[in-house]
Amino acid sequence: LAKTTQPISMDSYEGQEVNITCSHNNIATNDYITWYQQFPSQGPRFIIQGYKTKVTNEVASLFIPADRKSSTLSLPRVSLSDTAVYYCLVASNTGGFKTIFGAGTRLFVKA
Amino acid sequence: GAVVSQHPSRVICKSGTSVKIECRSLDFQATTMFWYRQFPKQSLMLMATSNEGSKATYEQGVEKDKFLINHASLTLSTLTVTSAHPEDSSFYICSASVSGGSIYEQYFGPGTRLTVT
Repeated sequence: LAKTTQPISMDSYEGQEVNITCSHNNIATNDYITWYQQFPSQGPRFIIQGYKTKVTNEVASLFIPADRKSSTLSLPRVSLSDTAVYYCLVASNTGGFKTIFGAGTRLFVKA
Repeated sequence: GAVVSQHPSRVICKSGTSVKIECRSLDFQATTMFWYRQFPKQSLMLMATSNEGSKATYEQGVEKDKFLINHASLTLSTLTVTSAHPEDSSFYICSASVSGGSIYEQYFGPGTRLTVT
């Protein structure tokens, strides 16, 4: 299963757009990419999921290039409440379900 | 929709005792549930995949006799930590996929903080 690499931390200011990139060089054909947000002592919250190209929902966009070796989560106009850890997850259901959570990116949004 | 609950949210137990953690899908049926553990300031590690009516599949390095998983219904999975020791202290989180939906879409519970003294 593809190992994922993310920046350890990022700082931003309120109202800015934040882009967090995750590398997954060994992603397999059937693997999906999902991003989660986690606050301290809480379970992860689903943000967005994609397979390729661009996916957009009410809270974020996910950009996946054609080779799928990376993905970028884009958060438009962050607020203080977006301060959290963001995880990219590669999931495979080939030969049994497997998931690999990245180490997570700690986003700190400043006023 | 797609709400997952866990009970208890926090538990403190003495070394050598067993602790049961429940994971429930409140508004959907979940053929497959997952159990993770998370140590402080670390990422989530998948422990096992639980399928309703069958034995759980454990990840490498996870002792199946120590972490007993039961998925007796489409809305409930339980994790029992047997003969708990201080090193088992961790944040245990379950997730569930909607039956008939994509297994890739997991909905997570709020987690259970286990402290073994």
